[in-house]
Amino acid sequence: EPEVTQTPSHQVTQMGQEVILHCVPISNHLYFYWYRQILGQKVEFLVSFYNNEISEKSEIFDDQFSVERPDGSNFTLKIRSTKLEDSAMYFCASSGDSPNYGYTFGSGTRLTVV
Amino acid sequence: GEDVEQSLFLSVREGDSSVINCTYTDSSSTYLYWYKQEPGAGLQLLTYIFSNMDMKQDQRLTVLLNKKDKHLSLRIADTQTGDSAIYFCADPSNSGYALNFGKGTSLLVTP
Repeated sequence: EPEVTQTPSHQVTQMGQEVILHCVPISNHLYFYWYRQILGQKVEFLVSFYNNEISEKSEIFDDQFSVERPDGSNFTLKIRSTKLEDSAMYFCASSGDSPNYGYTFGSGTRLTVV
Repeated sequence: GEDVEQSLFLSVREGDSSVINCTYTDSSSTYLYWYKQEPGAGLQLLTYIFSNMDMKQDQRLTVLLNKKDKHLSLRIADTQTGDSAIYFCADPSNSGYALNFGKGTSLLVTP
């Protein structure tokens, strides 16, 4: 069964450093997403991406965040200057020609900012 | 804004039925979803229900939707220890792109 692949599974970074989280969505999917889950809290939407541009973003997705689809297969989330409160599990997801049929999520990258 | 509420914990004995409840606020949703998260894993889509349905059955899973009360439930028949996980109810945002998740219900199945 096709799956969404995220790397690395765990990333530790120092406060103020830039991190890039990597995702390979399902190859024929058109919609791509990033979510995060702070430990013990709910899964929160960050951003959706369609047709090479951001289609929606949440209040969390401020100027320190950016997304890119650099080569037609990867979908990255960059955090420019990490803060302690960015520590969370980050999930990438993708969906087919309509978001209505639910997404396929990756296994997540646990980001720890120290 | 949209809000999705779930109870946090449920414990059942193996072989019993489990019922996980959810309330949502956005009444314009076309679909509503149930996701399962096993330890250390991502979110797995379990099932979804179209908003013009009031019930959907899929093997051991039964989803009930009460649109008037904005209440969604997931019933797992003959619950097994492998069903122990966190179950999330999700409701699409008005745009349809974002999913609003509840905090998740931790289901513990004891032998």
